[in-house]
Amino acid sequence: GGIITQTPKFLIGQEGQKLTLKCQQNFNHDTMYWYRQDSGKGLRLIYYSITENDLQKGDLSEGYDASREKKSSFSLTVTSAQKNEMAVFLCASSIGTNSNERLFFGHGTKLSVL
Amino acid sequence: GQGVEQPAKLMSVEGTFARVNCTYSTSGFNGLSWYQQREGQAPVFLSYVVLDGLKDSGHFSTFLSRSNGYSYLLLTELQIKDSASYLCAVSPNSAGNKLTFGIGTRVLVRP
Repeated sequence: GGIITQTPKFLIGQEGQKLTLKCQQNFNHDTMYWYRQDSGKGLRLIYYSITENDLQKGDLSEGYDASREKKSSFSLTVTSAQKNEMAVFLCASSIGTNSNERLFFGHGTKLSVL
Repeated sequence: GQGVEQPAKLMSVEGTFARVNCTYSTSGFNGLSWYQQREGQAPVFLSYVVLDGLKDSGHFSTFLSRSNGYSYLLLTELQIKDSASYLCAVSPNSAGNKLTFGIGTRVLVRP
């Protein structure tokens, strides 16, 4: 079996700050994703990547950057944190992009902005 | 409009069953998945359906009606540990795993 590790688990930032979230997977999966989870809303896709150095925008990419430095890692940057923002950012991976392929999720990074 | 709808909460009793409904309206359909998410934990894949009918996976069963844009997840012989959120996610077109998620249904199983 494999595992997805997200760091940090908790992130407290200041308004306007640039914040980076990291994700590592050892499944050897090609595709990786960043989702945002807000209370009362479904998971929303921010960015995904189908291979190393590839980047595809999701529905919520504005205000974020991402980087797929190598196959096993995918990082997300909040370019300017919004005051009172609070959300959980979930990283996931899958073998490929077929609709029947399950996503494996990390435990999330919980962001709070003061 | 476009989207995936689920009730926010559902309560049931240990030893009985719970049916979590999901309706969707998306531009195309390429399959529907269910995930379980316990509080503070990662979502975990439960089931994927793309054909109409009931798919029995033991403790969990899933039903799909494509003509009605409707699916349900049926949890039988409920245990307290089944208390969790259940997320419905639709793959709307040939863009594979660009899933559209519902808000998740929080199922509470009481003794």
